[in-house]
Amino acid sequence: DAKTTQPNSMESNEEEPVHLPCNHSTISGTDYIHWYRQLPSQGPEYVIHGLTSNVNNRMASLAIAEDRKSSTLILHRATLRDAAVYYCIRNNAGNMLTFGGGTRLMVKP
Amino acid sequence: KAGVTQTPRYLIKTRGQQVTLSCSPISGHRSVSWYQQTPGQGLQFLFEYFSETQRNKGNFPGRFSGRQFSNSRSEMNVSTLELGDSALYLCASCRGDVESFSGNTIYFGEGSWLTVV
Repeated sequence: DAKTTQPNSMESNEEEPVHLPCNHSTISGTDYIHWYRQLPSQGPEYVIHGLTSNVNNRMASLAIAEDRKSSTLILHRATLRDAAVYYCIRNNAGNMLTFGGGTRLMVKP
Repeated sequence: KAGVTQTPRYLIKTRGQQVTLSCSPISGHRSVSWYQQTPGQGLQFLFEYFSETQRNKGNFPGRFSGRQFSNSRSEMNVSTLELGDSALYLCASCRGDVESFSGNTIYFGEGSWLTVV
């Protein structure tokens, strides 16, 4: 099963860091971990992806466990615009993604 | 550079009709995938095209079909529409390089909202 396990929802306060966990215990060595987010009535937006090492970009950081069975998406300072559904995806098939239910992130002002 | 463009954004069709949706990928991207999103089933993969060939297909009936043109633009068609086909249809593109297949960054369009009445 290519799906990952994420909490259904999380809450955060504005301007505080947010750590979104993801379990992918059956990941294989060549699977990349991708994160996307989807705002209401919009298509999914690419956030970040990585294979083994931790990754940073202007949107977020991705911390990958040493055994690669879990990862954490880190938003350094949550804003109201970060409220969305966040999807963690094991990608072993290129442009053929298997989406789970994702985590609905709520940001409180 | 321009993102993934989907047209039309909104449309209403009657049961039994057919519909064609269009997707223009990011320039230089050769892989185009289609997804269906409904409240009940979430985001589900329909099919993927690469260099005008269908490379992967999801678990959908034959009423759902697609094609890709030489300029990488893609269309999907749904024939004999059913009420349950009402959904957001999303197109996604990426370079599609085999060498870094799963490491390609994938970009989604805004989607086409289809309502079947």
